[in-house]
Amino acid sequence: QVQLVESGGGVVQRGGSLRISCAASGITGRIAGTHWVRQAPGKGLEWVAFLRYDGSDKYYEDSVRGRFTMSRDSSKDTVYLEMNSLGAADTAVYFCAKDVGYYALWVWGQGTQVTVSS
Amino acid sequence: QSTLAQPPSASGSPGQSVTISCTGTKIDIVSWYQHHPGKAPKLILYELSQVFKIPSGVPERFSGSKSGNTASLTISGLQTEDEADYYCTSNIGRDRWVFGTGTKITVL
Repeated sequence: QVQLVESGGGVVQRGGSLRISCAASGITGRIAGTHWVRQAPGKGLEWVAFLRYDGSDKYYEDSVRGRFTMSRDSSKDTVYLEMNSLGAADTAVYFCAKDVGYYALWVWGQGTQVTVSS
Repeated sequence: QSTLAQPPSASGSPGQSVTISCTGTKIDIVSWYQHHPGKAPKLILYELSQVFKIPSGVPERFSGSKSGNTASLTISGLQTEDEADYYCTSNIGRDRWVFGTGTKITVL
C-alpha cells in the first residue's frame, strides 16, 4: 500500500527557515513526481511546488519561487521542501502528494503544520 | 495569474444529485479532489483524453465533464459521507498547477 508521511513542521520565526520532508513507501518502482500543496487557516488548497521523479525539473508557484527549494534523496524515497525567508502567509498545513500520471495528485500524506510567528 | 472559480457551497438531500462547476480563463487537464477537514485530500476523478475516470476504490456515483473552460463534478445519489470540501485542479502548461477555490458540499 502506498503511503506518504510528512514531517519536520513546527513553529519558526518570521524570516526564518525550515525543511519539511515527505517519506514514501509502497511506491518504489513507480515513476512518480511529487507535489507540495498547502492549506492556510480557513483557506483552500494551494499548489506550491513540483519535482519530477528523476529530479530533472522543478516548478514553483510564483509566491514561493526563489524562497522554496525542492530536493530528493532517492535512496530514502524522501522528498524535501526547504523553505527560506518565511512570512505569515506561509503559515499552513503542508501536504505532499504523488503524481503517477495524467497531471493528477494520486496519493496524499496527512500533512505537517508550519506556523510562522512574528 | 490563472484562477479556477468554484461556488463556495452547494447542498442536497440524501439520494439527490448535486453538480458543482469549475471555471477558469485557462483550463487544461482537470482532476477533482475530496477533502474532509483534518484528513488527507483524496483524488476522486482524473481526466484522460477528455474523459473523466474514477480511480480504484472511489464510488461510481462521482462523475465529471468538461466543456470549454468549465469543468463539472456531479455526485449522484448523495450520501452523508459525501459531505466535504471539493476542489478542482488543472495544470497550466507543463510547469504549473492551480487549484479551484473549493466548494463545501452539505448533505441536508
